[in-house]
Amino acid sequence: AQKITQTQPGMFVQEKEAVTLDCTYDTSDQSYGLFWYKQPSSGEMIFLIYQGSYDEQNATEGRYSLNFQKARKSANLVISASQLGDSAMYFCAMVLRDYGQNFVFGPGTRLSVLP
Amino acid sequence: DSGVTQTPKHLITATGQRVTLRCSPRSGDLSVYWYQQSLDQGLQFLIQYYNGEERAKGNILERFSAQQFPDLHSELNLSSLELGDSALYFCASSAWLDRANEQFFGPGTRLTVL
Repeated sequence: AQKITQTQPGMFVQEKEAVTLDCTYDTSDQSYGLFWYKQPSSGEMIFLIYQGSYDEQNATEGRYSLNFQKARKSANLVISASQLGDSAMYFCAMVLRDYGQNFVFGPGTRLSVLP
Repeated sequence: DSGVTQTPKHLITATGQRVTLRCSPRSGDLSVYWYQQSLDQGLQFLIQYYNGEERAKGNILERFSAQQFPDLHSELNLSSLELGDSALYFCASSAWLDRANEQFFGPGTRLTVL
């Protein structure tokens, strides 16, 4: 069965430093997409970054980059120059294209940025 | 503001009741997704509609049903409610069937079952 694992329930980082949030996934499908979402305390879900399984280059979006290691089935999120506003829950998710657009989410990592 | 609207924002009801959650996608988006976020189950994908047709099904209970109307708004119907159905229900939309990487989430409907 498809599964996303996020082993860090909580993380702390100093403001302006970089932080890596871990995500590993398990699927036998060849075609899939990986996402990261941010959920602040206000509750909304904010899309951060996407990586397709056939994309050869790691995705980047501003201060966010996705460290995609296909052989290890990992898709870690790197946030550079952390800001206080980055404090939130972060979810890693996978979409499996062979079954329509079936999504699987990880349990999330709560990131706290310290001033 | 993502452009996706959900009503109501909060809903409190009793066990055994039925409720309807409504979602209006972003203008021009044809695909609608429903998700449930609860403390014990985390975030779960429920169902996807594209241009009125069901396209993918996740962990949606038989007591739950959804539909997408010709004007592209979608409704999620939850019946025979149980305490465990208390959760935040998100709707998201994207322009195309295969553009899940461009989906935008609504603010959610918080359902409390007493």
